[in-house]
Amino acid sequence: EIVLTQSPGTLSLSPGERATLSCRASQTIRNGYLAWYQQKPGQAPRLVVYGPSRRAAGIPDRFSGSGFGTDFTLTISRVEPEDFAVYHCQQYGTSPPTFGGGTKVDLK
Amino acid sequence: QVQLVESGGGVVQPGRSLRLSCAASGFTFTSFAVHWVRQAPGKGLEWVAVISDDGSSQSYAHPVKGRFTISRDNSKNTVYLQLDSLTTEDTAVYYCARAMVRGIIPSCHDYWGQGTLVSVSS
Repeated sequence: EIVLTQSPGTLSLSPGERATLSCRASQTIRNGYLAWYQQKPGQAPRLVVYGPSRRAAGIPDRFSGSGFGTDFTLTISRVEPEDFAVYHCQQYGTSPPTFGGGTKVDLK
Repeated sequence: QVQLVESGGGVVQPGRSLRLSCAASGFTFTSFAVHWVRQAPGKGLEWVAVISDDGSSQSYAHPVKGRFTISRDNSKNTVYLQLDSLTTEDTAVYYCARAMVRGIIPSCHDYWGQGTLVSVSS
């Protein structure tokens, strides 16, 4: 199965700063089928970006996804207070679908 | 609006069974596959199982294959996950999540339930 490694483990930022989250795969992700989810404490994950650059419904345009092959990035152009959360990447190009270990974006 | 509501979680002893339910509303249930994804306390997400839109196909993660069974009742807009031979390793919040496709090919998930906690302990 494809192993996804997310880095950094924790990203400490101030509101207004740029966030760059990385997701690296152990092998090429077919068709760029990579998604990002946001999860706040006690809540279910929420789809942010998929495919790897399509924003999900209702997601503000400060979120963008990019990448191909084995290296993918989620960028938040200017972090807002409501963006502090854990972000998970998921590949769905090959069965079984797998998730990364998560990156926590917290307040510096 | 699209809603997925899980139920059936609880505390259970190792070796026992539990059945989880996921009740869907707000969309054409028969047009989407549904997945179960779990999250152990303080850990990441782990895919568990998927069932196709018509219930004819299923797929399971290796750790649960042969112990868990996914099914659906399209007349009730509900997906089930039967958990047998539970171990402490199965302790997690179990989420049902809508796929963006009909079949059991891997998919991302645009809607998730709130989750139900399964705690396996003696």
